[in-house]
Parts: sequence; C-alpha cells; structure tokens
Amino acid sequence: SQQGEEDPQALSIQEGENATMNCSYKTSINNLQWYRQNSGRGLVHLILIRSNEREKHSGRLRVTLDTSKKSSSLLITASRAADTASYFCATSPQGGSEKLVFGKGTKLTVNP
Amino acid sequence: EAGVAQSPRYKIIEKRQSVAFWCNPISGHATLYWYQQILGQGPKLLIQFQNNGVVDDSQLPKDRFSAERLKGVDSTLKIQPAKLEDSAVYLCASSPTLLATGELFFGEGSRLTVL
Repeated sequence: SQQGEEDPQALSIQEGENATMNCSYKTSINNLQWYRQNSGRGLVHLILIRSNEREKHSGRLRVTLDTSKKSSSLLITASRAADTASYFCATSPQGGSEKLVFGKGTKLTVNP
Repeated sequence: EAGVAQSPRYKIIEKRQSVAFWCNPISGHATLYWYQQILGQGPKLLIQFQNNGVVDDSQLPKDRFSAERLKGVDSTLKIQPAKLEDSAVYLCASSPTLLATGELFFGEGSRLTVL
C-alpha cells in the first residue's frame, strides 16, 4: 500500500524558479526520504530527514518535516532543466519490518 | 564503487510465459529489495532480504512470483505464469544497514512488457 501521497502530481516551471513538492503520510515514521527518478532510470537518493528533525538542507535542496501534520515538503531552489524528473517521498514506518514505502511521485518539468 | 546491477534491461513476453530477473547488489550490502513500479506509480515493495533470509514478502503474489537470494549476494526474481498486469519495471535496491539509518541504492531496473 502507498504510505505517502505527493502533491502536486505534476509541476511545470521555468528555469531559475523554485519548485516545491509536498508529501503527506499516514502513520508514525522513523525517517522520511526523498528520491529522484529520471525517465527510464532507477531512483537516486536525495536527502533523508529523521523524525526528530524539522529541516534539512543539501545544496539547492531544502526539506522540512512536520510530524504533527504528518507532512513534508521538498524545495528545489534556482531550478535547472536537468532537474526535470519525478520526485518521490518514501517513509520508514515505525513498528513492523524495516521497509521503505513510496508515494506516487511528483513529475517536475523545468523548461529552459 | 560499482552500483546495483540488473539484467535484462528489457523483456517482452506473452502472457502465461515465464521470466526471470537478476540482481547483483553493491558489494557488502546485506539488505536487498525487489520493487515493482507500474507506469505512473511509485515503487511497491515485493520482497526484502536480509542476507539470504526473507524479512518481508507480504506483498509478493506468491502464486506466481518467487524470489531467492542464494549465498546472501545476488538475487533472482521469477514470474510464472505472467499476466498482463505484471507489465512494469522491476527495481532492485540494496542497502548496507537496516532502513532506519540509511538510504537505498537502486539499479536501473528491468522493464517487463506482457502481451
């Protein structure tokens, strides 16, 4: 079953603009991760934020986590055409087996 | 460092035929996963191995899907007989530790088309 739900499903912006994607989930988590998938390729890990963290930065990426609202956001600043890809949030639910559950993803298109 | 290797990259079969996918994880990674990704959706976990033992196979359709990880290294996922709805990309991933601490490393995937 899908734990995370990304919003929006698709996003189209111009190069240089910022892109914000949101993720909501249902159960308590150990951590939340964001992955990128270029068309026809495998997934690449971007950033991991633990349940006791509220914000994390990595280069042009900024991730926030609000465990009270069970939501996270991924901000890509100063976007480039090369950022065109699908972005997935994935959660590691507390309790049960140590597995990662992915959402349906946001398809980002950055126009040059 | 070599990444996760998968083969074949593409496979087209008729329904009711069988198919097998192979995965070689990153050297030293104890945990191996098979995910199914249907077009337009996120990956869905089929099976998770810790070394050569199964940790989670709750979403594996066991009447037609099987997987093994002999000697705790590479793994094979088999579908027999295939159905139209099995058309998807089969992604293999590995991690050096339990998920609570780290990321997954994915292969490029094996795209299956069932006609």
